[in-house]
Amino acid sequence: SQTIHQWPATLVQPVGSPLSLECTVEGTSNPNLYWYRQAAGRGLQLLFYSIGIGQISSEVPQNLSASRPQDRQFILSSKKLLLSDSGFYLCAGRRGTGSSYGYTFGSGTRLTVV
Amino acid sequence: TQLLEQSPQFLSIQEGENLTVYCNSSSVFSSLQWYRQEPGEGPVLLVTVVTGGEVKKLKRLTFQFGDARKDSSLHITAAQPGDTGLYLCAGAGGGRGSTLGRLYFGRGTQLTVWP
Repeated sequence: SQTIHQWPATLVQPVGSPLSLECTVEGTSNPNLYWYRQAAGRGLQLLFYSIGIGQISSEVPQNLSASRPQDRQFILSSKKLLLSDSGFYLCAGRRGTGSSYGYTFGSGTRLTVV
Repeated sequence: TQLLEQSPQFLSIQEGENLTVYCNSSSVFSSLQWYRQEPGEGPVLLVTVVTGGEVKKLKRLTFQFGDARKDSSLHITAAQPGDTGLYLCAGAGGGRGSTLGRLYFGRGTQLTVWP
């Protein structure tokens, strides 16, 4: 079965500092991977998705970028953090095929920009 | 624009009560999922419904997919404090959306069950 690992669990960073959040996948190969941000424990905003190595699509223009250097690795980055980048970041992997699919989520990273 | 509207946004009930959460859209989905999320954790998939009119049961939880595949409901019987959490519905698009694996999430229903 698919497992998504995320780290760190919590992070406090000053404004203007760089960011690197890592997500790794176990149990499947060539999965579709997604980065979401969740504000105040509510709805999920899709930030980036990737269908393979080096293939990144951005949903929302912003201060963040994503990369997929390896099949099972998905990285969320920023060169200079803004206060508005604070939030709960979730990595997810697609599970299932055809039209009957869902996501496995990692346990998330709580980012606070101060 | 929110493709999936969930109601109610907040629900606070006593242990033993029954409840229903709704997930509605004007769009047709190839499947629909329900997730539960606890504070500080990622959402956990509860169920996927695929066929219009489908009903699935998971212990005290009953999930139904609308006949037109535009809406869904989650019914909990005899709620317990352990049911407390954020319940999210998510719709899967067909066609290219299926290839990309996009899910469209509702904003969630925060359920609190008091002992």
